[in-house]
Amino acid sequence: GDSVTQMEGPVTLSEEAFLTINCTYTATGYPSLFWYVQYPGEGLQLLLKATKADDKGSNKGFEATYRKETTSFHLEKGSVQVSDSAVYFCALSERDSSYKLIFGSGTRLLVRP
Amino acid sequence: SAVISQKPSRDICQRGTSLTIQCQVDSQVTMMFWYRQQPGQSLTLIATANQGSEATYESGFVIDKFPISRPNLTFSTLTVSNMSPEDSSIYLCSVEKGVDYGYTFGSGTRLTVV
Repeated sequence: GDSVTQMEGPVTLSEEAFLTINCTYTATGYPSLFWYVQYPGEGLQLLLKATKADDKGSNKGFEATYRKETTSFHLEKGSVQVSDSAVYFCALSERDSSYKLIFGSGTRLLVRP
Repeated sequence: SAVISQKPSRDICQRGTSLTIQCQVDSQVTMMFWYRQQPGQSLTLIATANQGSEATYESGFVIDKFPISRPNLTFSTLTVSNMSPEDSSIYLCSVEKGVDYGYTFGSGTRLTVV
């Protein structure tokens, strides 16, 4: 079945460091890909998405490119802030008859001042 | 995108009892989804709630334990039945409004079973 694999956390960075969180997926079709963020004590928010190969999703300085050849959707940010500390979830949806959203295990990011 | 109101936001319940969680959406949606997030874990899909038909449950989840209602296109409930401490989790509802909007989540119900 479909699945999403994320790098294990926690990831600890200093403020203004470069961030990469790896995400790879397994899918039978052509899924849409998502990154969600969960700030401490809050709900789940959509950070960015990409619906087809080579699409780049971007939001709040974060970017991720849909790479079909490597089945990857790595999240990057050039300069992280303390306020970016959160748990980040990579997810996919096959958009077949089920429209299910399948999540990776999540990666906790801690940014130190 | 859709706006979801989920309640209660949290509850502490005695083992053996049941809790019903409500999810109200500000617009009509075809599919609504219920997820569970156990402490420190990722989200696991419990079931898909379809209006006018029975919910579709994922492997490991059964209707007797997690009955779901979907009386119309803007509302759904999830009941956690005969609760045990292992049911302590955050329960979230979600809707999908189309490829341009992705999936929107409610703020979640934090359930503690004692």
